[in-house]
Amino acid sequence: GENVEQHPSTLSVQEGDSAVIKCTYSDSASNYFPWYKQELGKRPQLIIDIRSNVGEKKDQRIAVTLNKTAKHFSLHITETQPEDSAVYFCAASGEGYGNKLVFGAGTILRVKS
Amino acid sequence: GEEVAQTPKHLVRGEGQKAKLYCAPIKGHSYVFWYQQVLKNEFKFLISFQNENVFDETGMPKERFSAKCLPNSPCSLEIQATKLEDSAVYFCASSQTGVPYNEQFFGPGTRLTVL
Repeated sequence: GENVEQHPSTLSVQEGDSAVIKCTYSDSASNYFPWYKQELGKRPQLIIDIRSNVGEKKDQRIAVTLNKTAKHFSLHITETQPEDSAVYFCAASGEGYGNKLVFGAGTILRVKS
Repeated sequence: GEEVAQTPKHLVRGEGQKAKLYCAPIKGHSYVFWYQQVLKNEFKFLISFQNENVFDETGMPKERFSAKCLPNSPCSLEIQATKLEDSAVYFCASSQTGVPYNEQFFGPGTRLTVL
């Protein structure tokens, strides 16, 4: 089955700096890769996703890149703000409706002001 | 509704007792998923439904866990004879049929504490 690895497990950055979180996956059939942000005691919130027919997607300060050949994808947050502090999870899923998400172990992001 | 709803928020059970959790998916969403998040933050997939039919149950511990999605009722996840290791936050998520496919929206979770 699918296995998703996520690095780093913790990341501290200064406010205004960029943050990059990387994930690798094992199943070449996976083609949907969402990123979730989870604040303490809250639900995971979908912040951005990418599908395998796209190499990069951007939404304001957040971007995701996908390299299907190497089976890795990354989250980039620019101009970080204290409210970006949270746990970020990558996930992978297969083609079609109803497929389960396989999550990475999460990255604790701390933005220091 | 526009958000996935879960009840209760917190549930405390003694070891061996039964626990039942409920989930109302976003209106119009056909797929419901249950995930377990343990203390180390890791998410484990349990089961999914397409309407009232089991879609994927590969993550379900067969012996003590069961789940249902019945028409016109919230979906439910039931744990018979809870164990200490069942302590976790249980999240329900839903997704629609149609594009964009497989965007999953999560409920607020139910925190289960087994004493």
